[in-house]
Amino acid sequence: NAGVTQTPKFRILKIGQSMTLQCTQDMNHNYMYWYRQDPGMGLKLIYYSVGAGITDKGEVPNGYNVSRSTTEDFPLRLELAAPSQTSVYFCASGDRGSYGYTFGSGTRLTVV
Amino acid sequence: EDKVVQSPLSLVVHEGDTVTLNCSYEVTNFRSLLWYKQEKKAPTFLFMLTSSGIEKKSGRLSSILDKKELFSILNITATQTGDSAIYLCAGFAGGTSYGKLTFGQGTILTVHP
Repeated sequence: NAGVTQTPKFRILKIGQSMTLQCTQDMNHNYMYWYRQDPGMGLKLIYYSVGAGITDKGEVPNGYNVSRSTTEDFPLRLELAAPSQTSVYFCASGDRGSYGYTFGSGTRLTVV
Repeated sequence: EDKVVQSPLSLVVHEGDTVTLNCSYEVTNFRSLLWYKQEKKAPTFLFMLTSSGIEKKSGRLSSILDKKELFSILNITATQTGDSAIYLCAGFAGGTSYGKLTFGQGTILTVHP
């Protein structure tokens, strides 16, 4: 049982480049989330989804886009990368009544 | 906008001490409060609280929720160096924001031998 899988684990981007962070879960969870975590800080919600075809903005959505075409996948797209997007990104999934929410191992992104 | 605030932001104690971490929340149609522990990598789940006044326990860790005061605490007794971590709490929203999970900024706990 793989849980929540994020790829890549590390990435360096140049300013203005674009990339997609992948997130896949195999637990048939309806709810999926993208967070960013800056050093010594908590988790800030970027986008979330309560089911396939449904997405909503979190606290810090600017500069990011998401899609949820299947229950399993919730990719996060960065367009025109900026140094302020240097962070560790976590994907999480869960379901109503589930005991907590499971996190992926994170993607460390540096924009130079 | 949903808001979760934790205090203190950091705490340094010695092994054997007891600590209390605080979490206050303002969450749309609040449904539940979750606590996580984060060491080097991804956060790991500790507790989910949905009812006021019912303590959840796991070994030396316990937590309780006060829905009237919009507050939760996480207690750790007889702390060990392995308890050193960031402790995060999160509020799960209902209503039109159903499913939104908002985290606080975390408490960095350091336990010295």
